[in-house]
Amino acid sequence: DGGITQSPKYLFRKEGQNVTLSCEQNLNHDAMYWYRQDPGQGLRLIYYSQIVNDFQKGDIAEGYSVSREKKESFPLTVTSAQKNPTAFYLCASSSRTARTVGSQPQHFGDGTRLSIL
Amino acid sequence: SQKIEQNSEALNIQEGKTATLTCNYTNYSPAYLQWYRQDPGRGPVFLLLIRENEKEKRKERLKVTFDTTLKQSLFHITASQPADSATYLCAQTDSWGKLQFGAGTQVVVTP
Repeated sequence: DGGITQSPKYLFRKEGQNVTLSCEQNLNHDAMYWYRQDPGQGLRLIYYSQIVNDFQKGDIAEGYSVSREKKESFPLTVTSAQKNPTAFYLCASSSRTARTVGSQPQHFGDGTRLSIL
Repeated sequence: SQKIEQNSEALNIQEGKTATLTCNYTNYSPAYLQWYRQDPGRGPVFLLLIRENEKEKRKERLKVTFDTTLKQSLFHITASQPADSATYLCAQTDSWGKLQFGAGTQVVVTP
């Protein structure tokens, strides 16, 4: 079955440490996204990528970095510069065509919950 | 800036009744509105999309309306079941495919 796989499901970060969250999709989607979800708040966009080797900052990119070397993979690194990293992180993907961009549903993984030690 | 708002208070409803959720947006009408379901500890799952020029969209027991005059979308679950208990998110899409989400409304269906 096609889908998005996020790993690990739970992750703990020590002070001053960078951690990387994995996101892999086998849906052959061009676009991929990273969101952060905090209790009582909507999902907030961290980074997105519409094509391999290209990505753009979302609304809350500070303290995060990404790469898009392969179509299937879009890892997110939470750096030590992110002072409040405790949250539920969600990766998503969508197909993208010139005519219908904006109308495509997003497919989500089951998230990684990051906590501070 | 554009905002999208959902009722933060949980909706408690009896099995068999219709649940109605509200999604309000400010300023301009988005080209598309999407609705998702999210269960605890899981990622959102896409349910329905409605375009700006559509008044209503249906899928099985689900119905979405889009009123550009009121700047509002309504999401209905008819003949609700306990399995419908979840948080429902609305989101508007921009021309780049980016989604802006509301905080979601929790629905609790009791037998």
